[in-house]
Amino acid sequence: DIQMTQSPSSLSASVGDRVTITCQASQDISNYLNWYQQKPGKAPKLLIYDASNLETGVPSRFSGSGSGTDFTFTISSLQPEDIATYYCQQYDNLLQITFGQGTRLEIK
Amino acid sequence: QVQLVQSGAEVKKPGASVKVSCKASGYTFTSYDINWVRQATGQGLEWMGWMNPNSGNTGYAQKFQGRVTMTRNTSISTAYMELSSLRSEDTAVYYCARGHPDYWGQGTLVTVSS
Repeated sequence: DIQMTQSPSSLSASVGDRVTITCQASQDISNYLNWYQQKPGKAPKLLIYDASNLETGVPSRFSGSGSGTDFTFTISSLQPEDIATYYCQQYDNLLQITFGQGTRLEIK
Repeated sequence: QVQLVQSGAEVKKPGASVKVSCKASGYTFTSYDINWVRQATGQGLEWMGWMNPNSGNTGYAQKFQGRVTMTRNTSISTAYMELSSLRSEDTAVYYCARGHPDYWGQGTLVTVSS
């Protein structure tokens, strides 16, 4: 099974800060990685697909990069509405989709 | 627009089974896999398995092998997830999701309690 290690598990930042979350796969997954935002009581929302592609309608302050085993998710200028939990997810092996543990983002 | 609409909340006793439905609209149902993901309160996302609505082929996470069954009815563009031998640890919100996934259902709360 492919394991996804996401860090940090929680993060406190100020409005306007640049925020970075990392995700490491236990083996090469090429660019088969998604990033999701989940707000309390809601389903996850796809933000980034194929590691670096911005989903339609998602603000450009969100971005992703990486390939192989190491991936990064960035919010260039944190906004109050970005408070949420963020998850990475690999789909290289479609028989075993795996999520990272999640990063809880709070406003300082 | 693409929508996945799930059935309502369920309360079940330990040992019982639950069947959650997921009705798709706004796209060709047979063109995308359906994945099922669950989330216990305050916990992360846990993938349960996938189903190809065209062929009916399925793949289940090892943790759920033998307890989960994913099926579909293509005539009404609906996918189903049945989980048997329920225990308290299965209390969670269950989501269906399309493809890799991109679109998600609204979630169905399943509560297992005696």
